[in-house]
Amino acid sequence: AQSVTQLDSQVPVFEEAPVELRCNYSSSVSVYLFWYVQYPNQGLQLLLKYLSGSTLVESINGFEAEFNKSQTSFHLRKPSVHISDTAEYFCAVMKYGGATNKLIFGTGTLLAVQP
Amino acid sequence: DTAVSQTPKYLVTQMGNDKSIKCEQNLGHDTMYWYKQDSKKFLKIMFSYNNKELIINETVPNRFSPKSPDKAHLNLHINSLELGDSAVYFCASSPPMGTTEAFFGQGTRLTVV
Repeated sequence: AQSVTQLDSQVPVFEEAPVELRCNYSSSVSVYLFWYVQYPNQGLQLLLKYLSGSTLVESINGFEAEFNKSQTSFHLRKPSVHISDTAEYFCAVMKYGGATNKLIFGTGTLLAVQP
Repeated sequence: DTAVSQTPKYLVTQMGNDKSIKCEQNLGHDTMYWYKQDSKKFLKIMFSYNNKELIINETVPNRFSPKSPDKAHLNLHINSLELGDSAVYFCASSPPMGTTEAFFGQGTRLTVV
C-alpha cells in the first residue's frame, strides 16, 4: 500500500521569501507523484507532476519539485512567494501501472503568505 | 467551459434525509471518481467508475450509492444522512487507464444538522 506524509500542517512565510513544502511517500512499487493546490473555497488543481525522466519538474507559476528516490521525497519549492500563493497544497501518489488512477493524498500543508 | 461540474455547491440538510449530488464532465474521460474531504482537509477516494462500471469502492457505508447513467455523469446518492457525513465531496475525472492526470470539480460542501 502507498502512503503520503506531509509533516507540516501549516507554513507561514513572508511575501518574496523562499518556501519549501515537504512530502515523503512510502510504497513498495513505483509511483507517480503529484502536487495539487486548493485555493480557498475552490476545488483541487494540478500544480505539477513527476512521471518519469528528469527528476526536477516545474509549474508555470514558479513552483518546482524534485523527485528523490533514495529519500522517497517530492518536496515542493518556490524561490519567492506571492500573497496569491496562499492555499492548501496536497502531495499525492498514484501506483505506477495500476488498474486504476487512484490518488493517495497527504494531509495537506497550508501555505500562509504574509505581507 | 467548466470541465468537471458539480451541483449543488452547498447543501444543508437534516439528519435522516436522503440527498444527491450530481457530477458531469465534458472532457470525454472514461473514468470518474468521488473523493471525500473531511473537516481536517484529509482527502480520500470513495468510488471510481470506468465507463459506467464500478472499479473502486473504498469501504464506504451502503448508505452511499454512486450511479453512472453514462460515462460523462457520476452522481452520488446518500441515504439516511448522519452528522458524520458532513464534508466536502469532490468529483473528478481522468483519461483512460495508463494516463495519470485527474481533473477535479469545485466540490460540494455538505452540512448535516
